[in-house]
Amino acid sequence: EDQVTQSPEALRLQEGESSSLNCSYTVSGLRGLFWYRQDPGKGPEFLFTLYSAGEEKEKERLKATLTKKESFLHITAPKPEDSATYLCAVQGASGTYKYIFGTGTRLKVLA
Amino acid sequence: GAGVSQSPSNKVTEKGKDVELRCDPISGHTALYWYRQSLGQGLEFLIYFQGNSAPDKSGLPSDRFSAERTGGSVSTLTIQRTQQEDSAVYLCASSLAWRGPGETQYFGPGTRLLVL
Repeated sequence: EDQVTQSPEALRLQEGESSSLNCSYTVSGLRGLFWYRQDPGKGPEFLFTLYSAGEEKEKERLKATLTKKESFLHITAPKPEDSATYLCAVQGASGTYKYIFGTGTRLKVLA
Repeated sequence: GAGVSQSPSNKVTEKGKDVELRCDPISGHTALYWYRQSLGQGLEFLIYFQGNSAPDKSGLPSDRFSAERTGGSVSTLTIQRTQQEDSAVYLCASSLAWRGPGETQYFGPGTRLLVL
């Protein structure tokens, strides 16, 4: 059964304090791994898609990496506006179009 | 608008009443998905529409839930005889559904449903 586990559940950082969020997954035939950002009261906002192990993508202070078992979302020198819940989802060959989501990491960046 | 839109933003209803939630996908996107997000839980897949194909309803939690998509565009999720456990955020997403690996789904703002 496809499964996604995110850690930590919550993370508090000082502004400028870099860190990483983890997404561990079990899926039969990975078609894609997706990172989203969700602000309170809003829908998930797309950040990255990763397709194969070794792939990396960057956007501003965020960098996503992928191995065969997990993905990391690295946040470099975060700012308070980076505070949000970060969601990870996978799409496996068996589930085709279905996304399997983790429960997210709530990030709070303090000024 | 360029994104997925949903209405209403918030809905408060009494137990036992029926509710309808609406989703307008991104223009040109042939695939449409409904998810449910409950407090402290991950997004849960409900139903998937692709063009004129029969929808995948495998995620609907009970026969009180149904959805339709008219003209390959707007979709309505209907919950009959609502129960308190139906309280959640209902999210709609759409994608191009091109036949490649891992097409990206784009989400709407959600409808927050509260059943009293």
